[in-house]
Amino acid sequence: QKEVEQNSGPLSVPEGAIASLNCTYSDRGSQSFFWYRQYSGKSPELIMSIYSNGDKEDGRFTAQLNKASQYVSLLIRDSQPSDSATYLCAASTGANNLFFGTGTRLTVIP
Amino acid sequence: EPEVTQTPSHQVTQMGQEVILRCVPISNHLYFYWYRQILGQKVEFLVSFYNNEISEKSEIFDDQFSVERPDGSNFTLKIRSTKLEDSAMYFCASTDGTGRSQPQHFGDGTRLSIL
Repeated sequence: QKEVEQNSGPLSVPEGAIASLNCTYSDRGSQSFFWYRQYSGKSPELIMSIYSNGDKEDGRFTAQLNKASQYVSLLIRDSQPSDSATYLCAASTGANNLFFGTGTRLTVIP
Repeated sequence: EPEVTQTPSHQVTQMGQEVILRCVPISNHLYFYWYRQILGQKVEFLVSFYNNEISEKSEIFDDQFSVERPDGSNFTLKIRSTKLEDSAMYFCASTDGTGRSQPQHFGDGTRLSIL
């Protein structure tokens, strides 16, 4: 069974702070990992992808992957109220079908 | 930037009726997917499609469901004899290849309401 686990939150951080979102996955065959942002009633929007152990930075976002611990995280620096959304962690094997976690709801307080 | 487009945005149907959800994937993409998200729950994989055939399907995708690429641009999901529990957001996604470097791009979704 391919499971992706996330803390559902809500996670509240003040504007300008760092938001830290975490995710674990059960299938060691997972090769690709993605963070999507989903505003209420909207579709998932790709934020970051990561495939290798370590950190990957893109603007205010940093994804971290630790395959030994089966752990993926997303850091959002200088959080803005517009970052308030549900963040979905997804994993995929070579077949590329995505398995999603339930998402973590982030609220950035002005 | 190219987008995946889905129609209709909202579909209301009586239980037992058939519905067809439509998607136009990004034009150079080759792999297509349907996902669904029941209100308040996680996004769930339904089916993947490549080279005019199903690549993989989940346990959810039973005989009630079918997919088709009727022409060079559209990708459809048909749900026969709809049930109340089919009410959900249905998302289409596409990518230009499998493998490590192929993130999936999602359409805006179709909200399906079964009455």
